[in-house]
Amino acid sequence: EVQILESGGGLVQPGGSLRLSCTASGFTFSRYGITWVRQAPGKGLEWVSAISASGGTSFYADSVKGRFTISRDNSMNTLYLQMNSLRVEDTAIYYCAKDQDMSGWAAIDCWGQGTLVIVSS
Amino acid sequence: QLVLAQSPSAAASLGASVKLTCTLSSGHSNYAIAWHQQQPEKGPRYLMKVNSDGSHSKGDGIPDRFSGSRSGTERYLTISSLQSEDEADYYCQTWDTGIHIFGTGTKVTVL
Repeated sequence: EVQILESGGGLVQPGGSLRLSCTASGFTFSRYGITWVRQAPGKGLEWVSAISASGGTSFYADSVKGRFTISRDNSMNTLYLQMNSLRVEDTAIYYCAKDQDMSGWAAIDCWGQGTLVIVSS
Repeated sequence: QLVLAQSPSAAASLGASVKLTCTLSSGHSNYAIAWHQQQPEKGPRYLMKVNSDGSHSKGDGIPDRFSGSRSGTERYLTISSLQSEDEADYYCQTWDTGIHIFGTGTKVTVL
């Protein structure tokens, strides 16, 4: 059974940093792209970032480009999202999701349960 | 520009059928999409991928009541024999080189 578990969320002040982690099991982690998607309170889903299976290619939404960095450690079946210069509008539940192929842009076919990030003073 | 459009809401009676539409922007009729369900206070769940030829592949454990189809730039999710647990938000998702795009979601109410 595929399982995805996010961690690292919490309360942080504007301008601060946070690192999210995503640990996966039940599939060959190194063969699939992984995506971060967020959902602000009461809002829809917003794509944040994605990374290819090898980690060699990464992509970012314009809203986070230059502030967030995605990375992965295939030996540990773990994905990371380093979030710097956080803004109030980054407040959201952050979901880690498995893609259907290795590219970093594909259908998402499995979601984690999410981790809540609150940016507030 | 690649964009997905969804109606904000849909409603149908218990046991009836509802057909949700996700419309791709002009010029993108050959794109596949995926449908995701989000029940209240829960994370999203993958339902199926609908390919540009109308074929679809469902996620594990998704009931036969859920089916997908297409016409031109429109991609459909049909839910038959509506159950109370089908009351949820439904999002479509597509992708292109280096980008993922989500529709704004359709809230389904079971009457």
